[in-house]
Amino acid sequence: GAVVSQHPSWVICKSGTSVKIECRSLDFQATTMFWYRQFPKQSLMLMATSNEGSKATYEQGVEKDKFLINHASLTLSTLTVTSAHPEDSSFYICSAMNPQGTEAFFGQGTRLTVV
Amino acid sequence: KNEVEQSPQNLTAQEGEFITINCSYSVGISALHWLQQHPGGGIVSLFMLSSGKKKHGRLIATINIQEKHSSLHITASHPRDSAVYICAVRFGNDMRFGAGTRLTVKP
Repeated sequence: GAVVSQHPSWVICKSGTSVKIECRSLDFQATTMFWYRQFPKQSLMLMATSNEGSKATYEQGVEKDKFLINHASLTLSTLTVTSAHPEDSSFYICSAMNPQGTEAFFGQGTRLTVV
Repeated sequence: KNEVEQSPQNLTAQEGEFITINCSYSVGISALHWLQQHPGGGIVSLFMLSSGKKKHGRLIATINIQEKHSSLHITASHPRDSAVYICAVRFGNDMRFGAGTRLTVKP
């Protein structure tokens, strides 16, 4: 079946640095990808919708200058957490929609720890 | 009110028991997902349903579109089934998640 690969699965970075998380659809072209964040003991919250070749649509309250999303190809979307702070420590998950728009596939998630 | 309600919030079972986790939603949907999140955080997609019933190994998922309700069943539960199970509903390009059900299966 279709697979979405997210990388890295975990990362530790220093405050003030930037971290890039990749989300790849391995066997289908995804015109739409989604980025979610999960706070401790809470469910997933949509951060932004990423459309190939256009600007991402951010949910209310999500800083677009802090969470940079790039969807430059039909199989890759990246989320860059810029000038990371400890409060950005969280679990980030992507999902990709198949071309028919009938199914969404989830990445394994990335645990970010900012120290 | 959350658009996706899961119950129970926490569930402890003995190995071998039959387990049911419920998900109710309040909007018209195009699909419903059941996800499994392991203690390390990793997500595994279990099922995607738009109608009827699906089975995979010891896992069974059902959905009733008219009643806006889905259930995830685990037969012959095992300690390795211990995880958080999350219901997610999709309507168009939008997706909403339940708060999750934390399942602990004791040997």
